[in-house]
Amino acid sequence: QSVLTQPPSASGTPGQRVTISCSGSRSNIGTNTVNWYQQLPGTAPKLLIYGHNQRPSGVPDRFSGSKSGTSASLAISGLQSEDEADYYCAPWDDSVNGWVFGGGTKLTVL
Amino acid sequence: EVHLVESGGGLVQPGRSLRLSCAASGFIFDDYAMHWVRQVPGKGLEWVSGISWNSGSVGYADSVKGRFTISRDNAKNSLHLQMNSLRAEDTALYYCAKGSVYSYGREDYFDYWGQGTLVTVSS
Repeated sequence: QSVLTQPPSASGTPGQRVTISCSGSRSNIGTNTVNWYQQLPGTAPKLLIYGHNQRPSGVPDRFSGSKSGTSASLAISGLQSEDEADYYCAPWDDSVNGWVFGGGTKLTVL
Repeated sequence: EVHLVESGGGLVQPGRSLRLSCAASGFIFDDYAMHWVRQVPGKGLEWVSGISWNSGSVGYADSVKGRFTISRDNAKNSLHLQMNSLRAEDTALYYCAKGSVYSYGREDYFDYWGQGTLVTVSS
C-alpha cells in the first residue's frame, strides 16, 4: 500500500490530452518536488520530469508536471501511441527520510 | 553514455544472504549519489536504499532497514547491496539508479537506471 495514490489506469486517443494524478501528504508532495518516471513495457524506468517541471534532454515538451498542495499531476498533450506505458510519481518523504513511489498508472492509448 | 549493469541476482532460500553489484561507466562515479530501487514483477516501484558520493550518508526503506547494507567502491566505480535475512517478499527485480547530485537527500532524483537483476527468495 503506497503512501501516494495514483489511479491504476488512464486512457486516451491519439492527439488527446490526458492527466495522471498523484495524491500524497504534507511530508512528501506538500513539502518536496515531485519527480515522474515512465516505464515502457518490458524496460527499465526512465526519468520523465524532475524538480519544478523540468524535462531531461530528449523528453518532448508534450510532457509537463504540476503541483498544488499535497497533490501533483502529470499532463501529456498530443497523445501518441508510444506514450503507452506505466507512469510513477516519486517525491522525497520527510517522514521516512527517503523516496516514495506512487502505485503507478498504466496509460493506454486507444 | 551512462551505463549501469547490475549483477548478483539469483534464487536464494529464505533467511540466506545475497550480494548485488552494479558496475557504472560513462560518468564520474564519485560525483554522484547512487540508489537501489526494486520492482516485484508486474507491480510498482519501491526505493530500497541510497548512498551519498563519499558513503557519508546512507538511507534505507523501512522494509529493509537492519537487513540490507548499501556500499560503494569509488575506485572501482561499483555499487553494492548486501542483503541478509532474505524473505519471500524481497523477491523482485533490483535496479541500480544514478543520482543527480552528490549528496543523499531531497534534492536528488534518479536520472539513469540499469536493466535490473532478479532476486528470487524461495525454498
